[in-house]
Amino acid sequence: NAGVTQTPKFRVLKTGQSMTLLCAQDMNHEYMYWYRQDPGMGLRLIHYSVGEGTTAKGEVPDGYNVSRLKKQNFLLGLESAAPSQTSVYFCASSYPVYGGTDTQYFGPGTRLTVL
Amino acid sequence: DAKTTQPTSMDCAEGRAANLPCNHSTISGNEYVYWYRQIHSQGPQYIIHGLKNNETNEMASLIITEDRKSSTLILPHATLRDTAVYYCIPIRKGGGADGLTFGKGTHLIIQP
Repeated sequence: NAGVTQTPKFRVLKTGQSMTLLCAQDMNHEYMYWYRQDPGMGLRLIHYSVGEGTTAKGEVPDGYNVSRLKKQNFLLGLESAAPSQTSVYFCASSYPVYGGTDTQYFGPGTRLTVL
Repeated sequence: DAKTTQPTSMDCAEGRAANLPCNHSTISGNEYVYWYRQIHSQGPQYIIHGLKNNETNEMASLIITEDRKSSTLILPHATLRDTAVYYCIPIRKGGGADGLTFGKGTHLIIQP
């Protein structure tokens, strides 16, 4: 049981380049999330998904797109990278507890630098 | 969502109990208190959560005041590996898709 994994671990892009970050989970979780964390700050939600084929915007969605074609995978895309997108990106997943709350499990992060 | 107040940083000696306070005076009746931590350069890690009763698991204990306006996370025998930023986060029932709102948290430093 690997939990939540992220690919790649590190990446350096030039301004204007595109890339896709992959998040995979093997816990059969319904919900998946993408966050970014800038130096010295807390995590901020970019996009999330409540099930296969569905996505929704979070707090800071501009400049990013996502897709959830398979339940276990959640992809985050940058179509035209900008230096302001230099950050650490974390993926998380959770299983909804109806009438209660659910616990999020996080991946190890992807460190992205845009030059 | 309820706002939280936590000390910016705390020190604790290795082997002693670390007590991390959190003020959440505006918490509503349907919000749980969750605690996560983030060890340097790693993803956040769930620790424990509770609604109104005290809770204990293999990692920590959570003490919630009777009026629910504050809570304390207790790490009973702190080790150097417990050095991390600890976040207290209120989460409403059924609010799983809301995402987590991380404040600045408390930077706990365990001293050898």
